[in-house]
Amino acid sequence: EILLTQSPGTLSLSPGERATLSCRASQSVSSYLAWYQHKPGQAPRLLIYGASSRATGIPDRFSGSGSGTDFTLTISRLEPEDFAVYYCQQYGSSPDTFGGGTKVEI
Amino acid sequence: QVQLQESGPGLVKPSQTLSLTCTVSGGSISSNTYYWSWIRQPAGKGLEWIGRFYGAGRTNYNPSLKSRVTISLDTSKNQFSLRLTSVTAADTAMYYCARDGSLKWFDPWGQGILVTVSS
Repeated sequence: EILLTQSPGTLSLSPGERATLSCRASQSVSSYLAWYQHKPGQAPRLLIYGASSRATGIPDRFSGSGSGTDFTLTISRLEPEDFAVYYCQQYGSSPDTFGGGTKVEI
Repeated sequence: QVQLQESGPGLVKPSQTLSLTCTVSGGSISSNTYYWSWIRQPAGKGLEWIGRFYGAGRTNYNPSLKSRVTISLDTSKNQFSLRLTSVTAADTAMYYCARDGSLKWFDPWGQGILVTVSS
């Protein structure tokens, strides 16, 4: 199965700052990569699919890039509601796998 | 807008069978466009895809759980279900249901249900 490694594990930032999250795959997943935001007690929320396409209703401060094995999620200016855990997921090869997550904290 | 909601027992004894149901509202579970998945997350750990039901009665399971998992659909109730047999403490986790598709991402997800395996 394809292993996804997310870094850093924790990102300590302030509102208004830029967040850059990384996801690296153990082998190529082409562009079959998604990013999710997860807050305690809530359902995970799809942010990005196809490595760079924003899901419906997602603000344009969220952007995704990359292909193959290296991917990045960027939050251009952190809003208070953006502090959460972010996961990447590959869906190009079965079984679907997730990264270990990056916690974005104040 | 499609919404998913998990339900089932929050406590299961070791060696018994975990059974959960996901009720889908706002859309038909019979659509051939979409697949229906279960995902879990043990406390303090990452997300693990368990398996999916798709197409005309087809299933696809994570090899790590394949021998113990069954996912099924009940179109009359617009629900799909998870059965996990011979559970141990390692199966204690938050369980989520989600919609996906062929080479597609998970969206939306249910809120999740915590299942604890303990005597």
